[in-house]
Amino acid sequence: AQSVTQLGSHVSVSEGALVLLRCNYSSSVPPYLFWYVQYPNQGLQLLLKYTTGATLVKGINGFEAEFKKSETSFHLTKPSAHMSDAAEYFCAVSESGGADGLTFGKGTHLIIQP
Amino acid sequence: GAGVSQTPSNKVTEKGKYVELRCDPISGHTALYWYRQSLGQGPEFLIYFQGTGAADDSGLPNDRFFAVRPEGSVSTLKIQRTERGDSAVYLCASSLLAGQEQFFGPGTRLTVL
Repeated sequence: AQSVTQLGSHVSVSEGALVLLRCNYSSSVPPYLFWYVQYPNQGLQLLLKYTTGATLVKGINGFEAEFKKSETSFHLTKPSAHMSDAAEYFCAVSESGGADGLTFGKGTHLIIQP
Repeated sequence: GAGVSQTPSNKVTEKGKYVELRCDPISGHTALYWYRQSLGQGPEFLIYFQGTGAADDSGLPNDRFFAVRPEGSVSTLKIQRTERGDSAVYLCASSLLAGQEQFFGPGTRLTVL
């Protein structure tokens, strides 16, 4: 069975600082990995996804994530935080290429300090 | 174009009542997914439709939960004999084809008193 662990339910960074949100997964087959963002009162929005190929994936709004098979990790980073990045971030995994339902982590609330 | 819409946005009901939650996917999307998000948790998969048929309903917690998609577009999630533990935000997502990006609706917040 697949699962996702997101370390840190809340992460606080200063505006302009590096953002690092951690995600570790468990999967019995090569996984497809996703990061979604949820702004207040809005639906989940896909930030980026890893399927196959290049392990460093670039997404929207300056975010990127690196798939590390040896560490079973897919951490999300952004070099310089902006106030508008404050939101809830979810890591998700699929063992069927995303064709079936996704398995999500519990989420990390990102707080940006001015 | 229009995104995924869900109605109602909020639903308050009493324990033991029956509720229906509606999802209108993006036009032309063949795959439709239902998730449930409890407070402080990530979305939890419930059921997935490919066209009119339920391709995977392994996430439905028990037989009080049922979903339909009779014409391959709009879907309704039905909950019988609601319990307080059913209180959550119910999310719907659709994708053009299974395996492509899932687009999520804003959710229906269900509160069972």
